[in-house]
Amino acid sequence: DVKVTQSSRYLVKRTGEKVFLECVQDMDHENMFWYRQDPGLGLRLIYFSYDVKMKEKGDIPEGYSVSREKKERFSLILESASTNQTSMYLCASSTRTGRNQPQHFGDGTRLSIL
Amino acid sequence: DAKTTQPNSMESNEEEPVHLPCNHSTISGTDYIHWYRQLPSQGPEYVIHGLTSNVNNRMASLAIAEDRKSSTLILHRATLRDAAVYYCILRDALTSGTYKYIFGTGTRLKVLA
Repeated sequence: DVKVTQSSRYLVKRTGEKVFLECVQDMDHENMFWYRQDPGLGLRLIYFSYDVKMKEKGDIPEGYSVSREKKERFSLILESASTNQTSMYLCASSTRTGRNQPQHFGDGTRLSIL
Repeated sequence: DAKTTQPNSMESNEEEPVHLPCNHSTISGTDYIHWYRQLPSQGPEYVIHGLTSNVNNRMASLAIAEDRKSSTLILHRATLRDAAVYYCILRDALTSGTYKYIFGTGTRLKVLA
């Protein structure tokens, strides 16, 4: 089974801090994704990466950056955390081989910015 | 972005079939319809996907209307473990040749014992 592991289930940080959310997948997937999930808004794509060192903006990239130095690891960075970035963050991965390969999600990191 | 419309919530009795509807009137000819579900305190998990024909797997069945403007996810015998938010999803192509999923707010399914 594919396993996508997010480093923390819960995280509390302060306004202005630089925050790192880590995600690791164990299936050699090319694609990795970061979403945030907010009540009434569903999941929204922040950034994704289709290969090592490659990235593409999603729908809401402002205030975020990402890093993919190794194939199995995809990091989401909040450069200067703000209270409106309090949310559930979900990482996902998928293979590029074949059509319609499903995305495999981690269990999420609930981030609170005080 | 391609969009889907689902009821906010539904209820079902345990051991009974559940039909979860989805409207996707703006679907393009080559768009697949994907369904995911999200159990409490977990990330979404894949359920099923299809293009035109009805599809079955061990988790569920997917019935797609002939005009493809709507679909229905069918759970044949709901159990308490099926209580979740169910998402009907279309995809948008990204410049890299991969796809992003367009998640709506989904249908919260409550299963009554």
